[in-house]
Amino acid sequence: DAMVIQNPRYQVTQFGKPVTLSCSQTLNHNVMYWYQQKSSQAPKLLFHYYDKDFNNEADTPDNFQSRRPNTSFCFLDIRSPGLGDAAMYLCATSFFPQGVQPQHFGDGTRLSIL
Amino acid sequence: RKEVEQDPGPFNVPEGATVAFNCTYSNSASQSFFWYRQDCRKEPKLLMSVYSSGNEDGRFTAQLNRASQYISLLIRDSKLSDSATYLCVVNWGGKLIFGQGTELSVKP
Repeated sequence: DAMVIQNPRYQVTQFGKPVTLSCSQTLNHNVMYWYQQKSSQAPKLLFHYYDKDFNNEADTPDNFQSRRPNTSFCFLDIRSPGLGDAAMYLCATSFFPQGVQPQHFGDGTRLSIL
Repeated sequence: RKEVEQDPGPFNVPEGATVAFNCTYSNSASQSFFWYRQDCRKEPKLLMSVYSSGNEDGRFTAQLNRASQYISLLIRDSKLSDSATYLCVVNWGGKLIFGQGTELSVKP
């Protein structure tokens, strides 16, 4: 059974047109993360929510925003996608941010920019 | 220096071979360690956690040397289905820091 679900699996958008990616989880985990992974590169953490507390990485562009309306859902908003934002976007969850437990990943959303 | 560094790949091995991946990390305060596997165009999946005493899961053995800040993964009796990218991952302050991955290709 899927526990971290991302929608859509594939998203195509136009240069500069806002896009929202969705993540939901059935694990009741406190923490939800968003990563960006470009081809042949390691996943790069963009930000995470610990409950309702938002934690942005210092080098995450302002173009990237996130919302977590409740425990189960988290959204990634890209306000004005550029060609360089084409990537796989991965959502992950864990119980606690400082824990030793691994993170559970969703299947990812592959974003293409026209 | 990268926070997590792995052997450059790809590793091309025949079925049945034993293959070892190495990884070093720069932050001595790192708290936990993992190996993830990532298939082409798929999400990373946890392969195994890595403990200070070393741990084994079937054909897979992981070792951690905190003094040297070194992690390893040994795969014995390689199968075709082991072909994937193996990511060394370090948890520091709640953040997962990923290595760039080492690609493994097991050939018949």
